[in-house]
Amino acid sequence: DTEVTQTPKHLVMGMTNKKSLKCEQHMGHRAMYWYKQKAKKPPELMFVYSYEKLSINESVPSRFSPECPNSSLLNLHLHALQPEDSALYLCASSQRGKNSPLHFGNGTRLTVT
Amino acid sequence: AQSVTQLGSHVSVSEGALVLLRCNYSSSVPPYLFWYVQYPNQGLQLLLKYTSAATLVKGINGFEAEFKKSETSFHLTKPSAHMSDAAEYFCAVSSLMDTGRRALTFGSGTRLQVQP
Repeated sequence: DTEVTQTPKHLVMGMTNKKSLKCEQHMGHRAMYWYKQKAKKPPELMFVYSYEKLSINESVPSRFSPECPNSSLLNLHLHALQPEDSALYLCASSQRGKNSPLHFGNGTRLTVT
Repeated sequence: AQSVTQLGSHVSVSEGALVLLRCNYSSSVPPYLFWYVQYPNQGLQLLLKYTSAATLVKGINGFEAEFKKSETSFHLTKPSAHMSDAAEYFCAVSSLMDTGRRALTFGSGTRLQVQP
């Protein structure tokens, strides 16, 4: 069982829809991450939040909008996505520190039609 | 930013055979290295991490990795493969990003197949 919970597990949305991905952890971690993973590729970093503040945005298009309402929750708001945005979206959390591993959720499989 | 290179996108072994998955890092300073495993339709699970306390690191599920500075390598091994080991394996390094913050950067991955 994973300690990082992501909902929904699967999401199908049209290009004009607005949807949100949710992530929750209760390990007391103060860093949270969004990664995007295309089929047969490694995860690619999108955003990092540290102490509920956005600390890294890897030049992600504005149709992806992250939000960290509190230290346990991380959201990714989606609007006007393109079919090429279809992917597995992974949330992760970690303690602060150079050698702290990331703990991943099982991801949300997003399909944009 | 630091990076890792995984040699071999696919590795196939027989059940009971040695597993060797290769990872080389590019770094002039001590790297912070990790191995993760991803089973189909799941997230990534930490197998082990390099802490600099020991060059041979033991992880979960019988896996271990040896840090070799002279070869800039951190290869993953398991003495005897099980069918349940079939998965995608990622080597990763904690990289300092342009913002001064750290995040994990992953290698391209190696798919391990285990033949009965």
